[in-house]
Amino acid sequence: RKEVEQDPGPFNVPEGATVAFNCTYSNSASQSFFWYRQDCRKEPKLLMSVYSSGNEDGRFTAQLNRASQYISLLIRDSKLSDSATYLCAVNGNNDMRFGAGTRLTVKP
Amino acid sequence: DAGVTQSPTHLIKTRGQQVTLRCSPKSGHDTVSWYQQALGQGPQFIFQYYEEEERQRGNFPDRFSGHQFPNYSSELNVNALLLGDSALYLCASTQDTTLFYGYTFGSGTRLTVV
Repeated sequence: RKEVEQDPGPFNVPEGATVAFNCTYSNSASQSFFWYRQDCRKEPKLLMSVYSSGNEDGRFTAQLNRASQYISLLIRDSKLSDSATYLCAVNGNNDMRFGAGTRLTVKP
Repeated sequence: DAGVTQSPTHLIKTRGQQVTLRCSPKSGHDTVSWYQQALGQGPQFIFQYYEEEERQRGNFPDRFSGHQFPNYSSELNVNALLLGDSALYLCASTQDTTLFYGYTFGSGTRLTVV
């Protein structure tokens, strides 16, 4: 089993749609969780941290389920500019492991 | 405030050669990690440096080695290059070894082995 697994995608959605990504992790001792956004041929950029109580930043909502060891990212009212690859990241033993990423394309 | 800077941005090497990639962490950051990202894949953890020592290592062979200097900058060395080493190499830094704040990434070095 991979340490961090994501929905394989790709997701192709129309503008204005709501889309959700899921990510599961295997290390039950993990303490920090993140979603990164990566544009084509660019570096990953931190989108948001994921807190136990869940957190929201504008159109983006992240949730953590420790019992089931998964995190999720919900994007509401999708914009063309949301098109990117979304990577979930989980800290392990003083390192951070990434999923393979889920590609989102938002179409007009 | 400069972020994480990496050099060079692109590099072409021949199979069997050696390469050194360089990274300067974001100001105030003292922990540096290196990742390899093949096309269509997520970043794969190579190793992490803190206080000039390798703290953690991912599943990479000994051909991959690194170093951290007193000013927190870091180098990644890869010996005996293979075609499969072609990838984007990302340097990431943080001010917190628990990774509570996540990493800041550099724009990467794109290595092509021919």
